[in-house]
Amino acid sequence: DADVTQTPRNRITKTGKRIMLECSQTKGHDRMYWYRQDPGLGLRLIYYSFDVKDINKGEISDGYSVSRQAQAKFSLSLESAIPNQTALYFCATSDLRDRGLETQYFGPGTRLLVL
Amino acid sequence: DQQVKQNSPSLSVQEGRISILNCDYTNSMFDYFLWYKKYPAEGPTFLISISSIKDKNEDGRFTVFLNKSAKHLSLHIVPSQPGDSAVYFCAARGERSGGGADGLTFGKGTHLIIQP
Repeated sequence: DADVTQTPRNRITKTGKRIMLECSQTKGHDRMYWYRQDPGLGLRLIYYSFDVKDINKGEISDGYSVSRQAQAKFSLSLESAIPNQTALYFCATSDLRDRGLETQYFGPGTRLLVL
Repeated sequence: DQQVKQNSPSLSVQEGRISILNCDYTNSMFDYFLWYKKYPAEGPTFLISISSIKDKNEDGRFTVFLNKSAKHLSLHIVPSQPGDSAVYFCAARGERSGGGADGLTFGKGTHLIIQP
Protein backbone atom coordinates (compact mmCIF):
# COMPACT_ATOMS: atom_id res chain seq x y z
CA ASP A 1 0.00 0.00 0.00
CA ALA A 2 1.17 3.50 -0.82
CA ASP A 3 2.36 5.60 2.09
CA VAL A 4 1.04 8.85 0.61
CA THR A 5 -2.27 8.74 -1.25
CA GLN A 6 -4.11 11.42 -3.14
CA THR A 7 -7.74 11.57 -4.23
CA PRO A 8 -8.95 12.04 -6.84
CA ARG A 9 -6.18 11.09 -9.28
CA ASN A 10 -7.84 12.99 -12.09
CA ARG A 11 -10.45 15.73 -12.03
CA ILE A 12 -12.13 17.91 -14.61
CA THR A 13 -14.07 20.91 -13.37
CA LYS A 14 -15.49 24.16 -14.65
CA THR A 15 -14.44 27.72 -13.95
CA GLY A 16 -15.95 29.01 -10.73
CA LYS A 17 -16.50 25.62 -9.11
CA ARG A 18 -15.15 24.78 -5.69
CA ILE A 19 -13.12 21.62 -5.52
CA MET A 20 -11.10 19.81 -2.89
CA LEU A 21 -8.07 17.61 -3.33
CA GLU A 22 -7.30 15.24 -0.51
CA CYS A 23 -4.09 13.75 0.79
CA SER A 24 -3.62 11.00 3.35
CA GLN A 25 -0.44 9.48 4.70
CA THR A 26 0.38 6.44 6.77
CA LYS A 27 4.02 7.36 7.38
CA GLY A 28 3.30 9.05 10.69
CA HIS A 29 5.03 12.21 9.50
CA ASP A 30 4.18 15.50 11.09
CA ARG A 31 4.92 17.71 8.09
CA MET A 32 2.79 17.86 4.98
CA TYR A 33 3.00 19.94 1.80
CA TRP A 34 1.08 20.77 -1.34
CA TYR A 35 2.90 21.51 -4.61
CA ARG A 36 1.79 22.11 -8.15
CA GLN A 37 3.70 21.19 -11.26
CA ASP A 38 3.28 23.04 -14.53
CA PRO A 39 5.04 22.09 -17.76
CA GLY A 40 8.50 23.62 -17.85
CA LEU A 41 8.19 25.09 -14.36
CA GLY A 42 9.10 22.27 -12.02
CA LEU A 43 7.24 22.02 -8.70
CA ARG A 44 6.13 25.07 -6.74
CA LEU A 45 5.06 25.11 -3.11
CA ILE A 46 1.45 26.15 -2.40
CA TYR A 47 1.00 25.51 1.33
CA TYR A 48 2.68 23.51 4.05
CA SER A 49 1.87 22.39 7.56
CA PHE A 50 4.25 21.34 10.31
CA ASP A 51 1.53 19.96 12.56
CA VAL A 52 -2.25 20.05 12.94
CA LYS A 53 -2.26 23.57 14.35
CA ASP A 54 0.31 24.99 11.98
CA ILE A 55 -0.48 26.19 8.44
CA ASN A 56 1.89 28.25 6.30
CA LYS A 57 1.66 29.84 2.89
CA GLY A 58 4.08 28.82 0.19
CA GLU A 59 5.19 30.85 -2.79
CA ILE A 60 1.93 30.53 -4.77
CA SER A 61 -0.90 30.34 -2.21
CA ASP A 62 -3.28 32.85 -3.84
CA GLY A 63 -6.51 31.17 -4.91
CA TYR A 64 -5.95 28.17 -2.64
CA SER A 65 -6.77 27.20 0.92
CA VAL A 66 -5.87 24.17 3.00
CA SER A 67 -7.11 22.23 5.97
CA ARG A 68 -5.10 19.92 8.22
CA GLN A 69 -7.88 17.78 9.63
CA ALA A 70 -5.57 15.36 11.39
CA GLN A 71 -1.89 14.50 11.41
CA ALA A 72 -2.50 12.10 8.55
CA LYS A 73 -4.75 14.29 6.38
CA PHE A 74 -4.08 17.52 4.50
CA SER A 75 -6.58 18.81 1.96
CA LEU A 76 -6.22 21.52 -0.65
CA SER A 77 -9.21 23.57 -1.80
CA LEU A 78 -9.73 25.76 -4.81
CA GLU A 79 -12.57 28.05 -3.73
CA SER A 80 -13.37 29.23 -7.24
CA ALA A 81 -11.38 27.33 -9.83
CA ILE A 82 -9.89 29.19 -12.80
CA PRO A 83 -8.25 27.76 -15.95
CA ASN A 84 -4.71 28.73 -14.96
CA GLN A 85 -5.04 26.39 -11.98
CA THR A 86 -4.92 23.52 -14.44
CA ALA A 87 -1.88 21.59 -13.30
CA LEU A 88 -0.55 18.45 -11.68
CA TYR A 89 -0.84 18.66 -7.88
CA PHE A 90 1.39 16.76 -5.50
CA CYS A 91 1.11 16.19 -1.79
CA ALA A 92 4.27 15.42 0.16
CA THR A 93 5.22 14.53 3.72
CA SER A 94 8.39 14.72 5.75
CA ASP A 95 9.68 13.94 9.20
CA LEU A 96 12.47 15.99 10.69
CA ARG A 97 13.59 12.90 12.55
CA ASP A 98 14.35 11.26 9.22
CA ARG A 99 18.10 10.79 9.45
CA GLY A 100 18.26 14.23 10.94
CA LEU A 101 17.74 15.82 7.56
CA GLU A 102 14.37 16.38 6.02
CA THR A 103 13.45 14.31 3.00
CA GLN A 104 10.04 14.72 1.42
CA TYR A 105 7.97 11.79 0.19
CA PHE A 106 5.48 12.48 -2.57
CA GLY A 107 2.07 11.13 -3.42
CA PRO A 108 1.20 10.02 -6.97
CA GLY A 109 -0.33 13.34 -7.95
CA THR A 110 -3.75 14.68 -8.96
CA ARG A 111 -4.19 15.89 -12.50
CA LEU A 112 -6.65 18.81 -12.51
CA LEU A 113 -8.20 20.37 -15.60
CA VAL A 114 -10.23 23.56 -15.21
CA LEU A 115 -12.37 24.35 -18.23
CA ASP B 1 13.51 34.79 -9.85
CA GLN B 2 14.57 31.22 -10.33
CA GLN B 3 16.68 30.17 -7.37
CA VAL B 4 17.37 26.63 -8.52
CA LYS B 5 18.28 26.19 -12.16
CA GLN B 6 18.60 23.11 -14.31
CA ASN B 7 19.70 24.49 -17.62
CA SER B 8 19.47 21.28 -19.61
CA PRO B 9 15.85 20.30 -20.31
CA SER B 10 17.01 16.95 -21.65
CA LEU B 11 20.06 14.73 -21.78
CA SER B 12 20.69 11.62 -23.85
CA VAL B 13 23.30 9.07 -22.71
CA GLN B 14 24.24 5.63 -23.93
CA GLU B 15 23.62 2.69 -21.67
CA GLY B 16 26.68 1.87 -19.60
CA ARG B 17 28.13 5.38 -19.82
CA ILE B 18 28.13 8.05 -17.13
CA SER B 19 25.19 10.45 -16.87
CA ILE B 20 25.94 13.86 -15.38
CA LEU B 21 23.04 16.12 -14.45
CA ASN B 22 23.79 19.65 -13.38
CA CYS B 23 22.08 22.13 -11.10
CA ASP B 24 22.93 25.70 -10.11
CA TYR B 25 21.47 27.75 -7.29
CA THR B 26 21.57 31.40 -6.34
CA ASN B 27 20.47 31.44 -2.71
CA SER B 28 23.42 31.06 -0.34
CA MET B 29 20.98 30.27 2.51
CA PHE B 30 20.19 26.85 1.07
CA ASP B 31 21.63 24.22 3.41
CA TYR B 32 20.41 20.92 2.03
CA PHE B 33 20.11 19.66 -1.50
CA LEU B 34 18.19 16.73 -2.92
CA TRP B 35 17.70 14.94 -6.20
CA TYR B 36 14.33 13.46 -7.09
CA LYS B 37 13.48 11.12 -9.92
CA LYS B 38 10.10 11.17 -11.58
CA TYR B 39 8.50 8.67 -13.94
CA PRO B 40 5.38 9.63 -15.95
CA ALA B 41 2.12 9.37 -13.99
CA GLU B 42 3.97 9.00 -10.69
CA GLY B 43 5.06 11.36 -7.95
CA PRO B 44 8.71 12.31 -7.55
CA THR B 45 10.75 9.81 -5.55
CA PHE B 46 13.71 10.74 -3.42
CA LEU B 47 17.04 9.65 -4.88
CA ILE B 48 19.94 11.15 -2.96
CA SER B 49 20.75 14.21 -0.89
CA ILE B 50 23.68 16.19 0.41
CA SER B 51 24.14 18.61 3.25
CA SER B 52 25.90 21.88 2.64
CA ILE B 53 28.66 20.81 5.05
CA LYS B 54 29.72 18.05 2.67
CA ASP B 55 31.03 18.09 -0.88
CA LYS B 56 30.19 14.53 -1.91
CA ASN B 57 27.66 11.85 -1.11
CA GLU B 58 27.56 8.45 -2.71
CA ASP B 59 24.86 5.79 -2.82
CA GLY B 60 25.48 2.87 -5.15
CA ARG B 61 25.54 4.08 -8.73
CA PHE B 62 24.54 7.60 -7.69
CA THR B 63 26.91 10.30 -6.49
CA VAL B 64 26.08 13.92 -5.78
CA PHE B 65 28.80 16.55 -5.74
CA LEU B 66 28.40 19.98 -4.19
CA ASN B 67 30.60 22.98 -4.98
CA LYS B 68 29.45 25.68 -2.57
CA SER B 69 31.75 28.38 -3.89
CA ALA B 70 30.30 27.93 -7.36
CA LYS B 71 26.78 27.28 -6.06
CA HIS B 72 26.69 24.20 -8.21
CA LEU B 73 25.77 20.59 -7.69
CA SER B 74 25.78 17.62 -9.97
CA LEU B 75 24.39 14.12 -9.98
CA HIS B 76 26.52 11.36 -11.49
CA ILE B 77 24.98 8.04 -12.47
CA VAL B 78 27.40 5.32 -13.43
CA PRO B 79 26.86 3.05 -15.18
CA SER B 80 23.63 4.38 -16.69
CA GLN B 81 20.85 1.85 -17.13
CA PRO B 82 17.62 1.94 -19.18
CA GLY B 83 15.57 2.19 -15.98
CA ASP B 84 17.30 5.46 -15.22
CA SER B 85 15.33 7.14 -18.00
CA ALA B 86 13.16 9.67 -16.16
CA VAL B 87 12.91 13.34 -15.27
CA TYR B 88 15.35 14.38 -12.56
CA PHE B 89 14.61 17.33 -10.31
CA CYS B 90 17.18 19.15 -8.26
CA ALA B 91 15.75 20.66 -5.06
CA ALA B 92 17.09 22.82 -2.28
CA ARG B 93 15.97 23.53 1.25
CA GLY B 94 16.57 26.59 3.30
CA GLU B 95 15.34 30.05 3.97
CA ARG B 96 14.27 31.62 0.74
CA SER B 97 15.28 35.10 -0.25
CA GLY B 98 12.52 37.22 1.20
CA GLY B 99 12.12 34.75 4.06
CA GLY B 100 9.21 32.54 4.99
CA ALA B 101 8.56 29.23 3.32
CA ASP B 102 10.38 26.14 4.45
CA GLY B 103 9.43 23.73 1.71
CA LEU B 104 11.71 22.72 -1.09
CA THR B 105 12.62 24.91 -4.05
CA PHE B 106 12.75 22.83 -7.22
CA GLY B 107 14.48 23.23 -10.53
CA LYS B 108 12.52 22.70 -13.72
CA GLY B 109 13.89 19.21 -14.24
CA THR B 110 16.09 17.41 -16.75
CA HIS B 111 14.69 14.59 -18.84
CA LEU B 112 17.34 11.87 -18.94
CA ILE B 113 17.10 9.38 -21.79
CA ILE B 114 19.27 6.28 -21.68
CA GLN B 115 19.80 4.85 -25.12
CA PRO B 116 20.51 1.12 -25.56
